[in-house]
Amino acid sequence: AQKVTQAQTEISVVEKEDVTLDCVYETRDTTYYLFWYKQPPSGELVFLIRRNSFDEQNEISGRYSWNFQKSTSSFNFTITASQVVDSAVYFCALSEAALKRQGAQKLVFGQGTRLTINP
Amino acid sequence: AAGVIQSPRHLIKEKRETATLKCYPIPRHDTVYWYQQGPGQDPQFLISFYEKMQSDKGSIPDRFSAQQFSDYHSELNMSSLELGDSALYFCASSLEGLDGYTFGSGTRLTVV
Repeated sequence: AQKVTQAQTEISVVEKEDVTLDCVYETRDTTYYLFWYKQPPSGELVFLIRRNSFDEQNEISGRYSWNFQKSTSSFNFTITASQVVDSAVYFCALSEAALKRQGAQKLVFGQGTRLTINP
Repeated sequence: AAGVIQSPRHLIKEKRETATLKCYPIPRHDTVYWYQQGPGQDPQFLISFYEKMQSDKGSIPDRFSAQQFSDYHSELNMSSLELGDSALYFCASSLEGLDGYTFGSGTRLTVV
């Protein structure tokens, strides 16, 4: 069975600090996808990144970076020089490979990390 | 670009009433998913449809039912509403997972 664990329930930092959100996952599939979503106070789920299990390259997008390590089943997310607008709940999620004639499989979410950036 | 459209955005119902939530997926997406997110919780998978057929089922109460219609829109019907059904309900769509999952803005259901 799939499982995603975000051990950090809440993180609070001062603006401009770097912050890393941890994500550990469990799956028996060899093909799977990992995601990060941001949920601001308005409630919508904002897609940040999708990574497939065969691509372990780290990715950087502006102030955001992701570190995928299959050896430790982790997919951590770092925000550099945090800003107040980064305050939100962040979810890590996992889906297993699409099944033939069944489409893409459901997303399983972690419990979320509430990130507060203080001015 | 077209997104996933959910309606209504907000809904207030009384206990034991019925509610219907609608979802219009991105055109040509073949799979629709419904999720329920209670206050302070992560989204929980309810049910999905692939090409208008139910493809997977999660922890969906028997009081809830869903279907996908010939035009690919989907509806989540909830009967005998309980206070605990108050939550944010998300619909998402996907094309065989090739481009990830696109979520709608959600319907916030409040049961009073």
